[in-house]
Amino acid sequence: QVQLVQSGAEVKKPGASVKVSCKASGYTFTSYYMHWVRQAPGQGLEWMGIINPSGGSTSYAQKFQGRVTMTRDTSTSTVYMELSSLRSEDTAVYYCARDSCTNGVCGFIGDWGQGTLVTVSS
Amino acid sequence: AIRITQSPSSLSASTGDRVTITCRASQGISSYLAWYQQKPGKAPKLLIYAASTLQSGVPSRFSGSGSGTDFTLTISCLQSEDFATYYCQQYYSYPSLTFGGGTKVEIK
Repeated sequence: QVQLVQSGAEVKKPGASVKVSCKASGYTFTSYYMHWVRQAPGQGLEWMGIINPSGGSTSYAQKFQGRVTMTRDTSTSTVYMELSSLRSEDTAVYYCARDSCTNGVCGFIGDWGQGTLVTVSS
Repeated sequence: AIRITQSPSSLSASTGDRVTITCRASQGISSYLAWYQQKPGKAPKLLIYAASTLQSGVPSRFSGSGSGTDFTLTISCLQSEDFATYYCQQYYSYPSLTFGGGTKVEIK
């Protein structure tokens, strides 16, 4: 079965960077795009961007352009999301989430990681 | 960017009730709308995509309708396990995806 296992919780100071990993298993890693979605405490869901694990191409939400970098390692079936210049408003649970369609993008999400809490505090 | 307005933000209902949640898009999105259920401390779960297609394994008491700008999620007979927060999400303007603000369904 599909599994997306994310790295553990992080505490960072303002201005620092954080890198969250998401290890995929149970399917062909390069056949499904991966989204990143975040959720601030008590708030709604916010789409951050998407990566094509096959070629590594990315597309980011305008809000995060210049601060977010998504990468992948096909040898370990892992995608990464790095967010820089952290501020308190970036405190949130970050989810990796697999697009529902193979070899393309549907835009809706069938499988999610367990989430990684990133806390930004001085 | 396409904005999604979801209403109500919360509602109280009893087991067995029929519940309706609405999403309105700021411009036409055809049927490119999905619905998710999220329980506290858990990741969202896909319920419906393409506005009205039920995801495999989702109970038939959930249904979706609408196209263009106005969409509805209906739970025909609310069960105890349905108390959760529900989100709609448009994927018409890929790669810019947007979610509604959420509707918390609470026990009356």
